Amino acid sequence: ETGVTQTPRHLVMGMTNKKSLKCEQHLGHNAMYWYKQSAKKPLELMFVYSLEERVENNSVPSRFSPECPNSSHLFLHLHTLQPEDSALYLCASSKSAHSNYGYTFGSGTRLTVV
Amino acid sequence: DQQVKQNSPSLSVQEGRISILNCDYTNSMFDYFLWYKKYPAEGPTFLISISSIKDKNEDGRFTVFLNKSAKHLSLHIVPSQPGDSAVYFCAASESGAGSYQLTFGKGTKLSVIP
Repeated sequence: ETGVTQTPRHLVMGMTNKKSLKCEQHLGHNAMYWYKQSAKKPLELMFVYSLEERVENNSVPSRFSPECPNSSHLFLHLHTLQPEDSALYLCASSKSAHSNYGYTFGSGTRLTVV
Repeated sequence: DQQVKQNSPSLSVQEGRISILNCDYTNSMFDYFLWYKKYPAEGPTFLISISSIKDKNEDGRFTVFLNKSAKHLSLHIVPSQPGDSAVYFCAASESGAGSYQLTFGKGTKLSVIP
């Protein structure tokens, strides 16, 4: 039990499919994040949610659509993805989006777009 | 442009010896630095951090050194153990930014040889 649980662990989807990634944290944290890790690239911040409100959106294409229904759950809805979107998607949480608290990461979803 | 750079993609060290992982940054506004460790098929886990008001922080076998004038930090692991074999990510943040975000390097894969 890592405290941050991501499902599914692996996902293969076609370019016309619609799928969703789910993240759940059991730590009582108020901030949640989506990061993307592509091969040979740094982790790239995609979205930040603080108390269920999106506070950052780092120029992510609209084919990625986040949803944060409450402070414990975070979704990433995917539609009409491209093969270059294949990557490891990591969810993280922290006590606050406005302080120097470290993140707790989930194990990630390995996404392959075919 | 990468603001956090880990120029060595990989490092091999003999068990019992010292491992030194390096990280450089370009943003002078960064004032908090962290190291994360990642095993395959798992999310990154927090290892050690340092604030810019310090130049050294130690936790057991792990020590982080910060040289602000050179915009350089390093992680020392002494003695290295086979279980330390993982990818190590350097991360940095800026307290004055609107929301707390971690900027990551690409990672260095450490292999500790028994």
